[in-house]
Amino acid sequence: DTEVTQTPKHLVMGMTNKKSLKCEQHMGHRAMYWYKQKAKKPPELMFVYSYEKLSINESVPSRFSPECPNSSLLNLHLHALQPEDSALYLCASSQFRSVGTEAFFGQGTRLTVV
Amino acid sequence: GESVGLHLPTLSVQEGDNSIINCAYSNSASDYFIWYKQESGKGPQFIIDIRSNMDKRQGQRVTVLLNKTVKHLSLQIAATQPGDSAVYFCAERGTDSWGKLQFGAGTQVVVTP
Repeated sequence: DTEVTQTPKHLVMGMTNKKSLKCEQHMGHRAMYWYKQKAKKPPELMFVYSYEKLSINESVPSRFSPECPNSSLLNLHLHALQPEDSALYLCASSQFRSVGTEAFFGQGTRLTVV
Repeated sequence: GESVGLHLPTLSVQEGDNSIINCAYSNSASDYFIWYKQESGKGPQFIIDIRSNMDKRQGQRVTVLLNKTVKHLSLQIAATQPGDSAVYFCAERGTDSWGKLQFGAGTQVVVTP
């Protein structure tokens, strides 16, 4: 199994809603990532979890709250988002956080904030 | 056809021809590089990688070349097929312990019949 599974595939939410994005991998990877991707742009790193601990927060607003319940799961909790937060949210995982191991990406959640 | 990833965002290539996608990376300390392919509505898909102690690496129909002197990376696709139409991103991984990926701007490849 070399898949990173993200749910839901599409999400429309209002600015006062609370929602969560979910990501799952069963490759035994110990590094997991959240990226944000706007149309026609490269993915931008948001968070890195290494061994279930938050390693990197790229100055992401607190309305995005990551959570890593166990080594296979990664969540991104959303609250009070703005329309400019509409984007494709990608989860990725890699075997180790160090050089020489590719990151596997999920298909993403297309988020629209209205 | 040839494209500089950061300056010519779209590369149009005829089916059957070879494609060359270029990428200028920024960090001379980066020691691992990856090419990803992203089709519309999908996540990035790994194509090929190369470590900085190598100049060239070949895969199935793809070759990556690394020139550390000028911080340049290229992806060559042989006999381009319609299924190769996608956005191609180069990514560099720094030597910091967290392995952050820094993506290039991307090149849209359009394969014409």
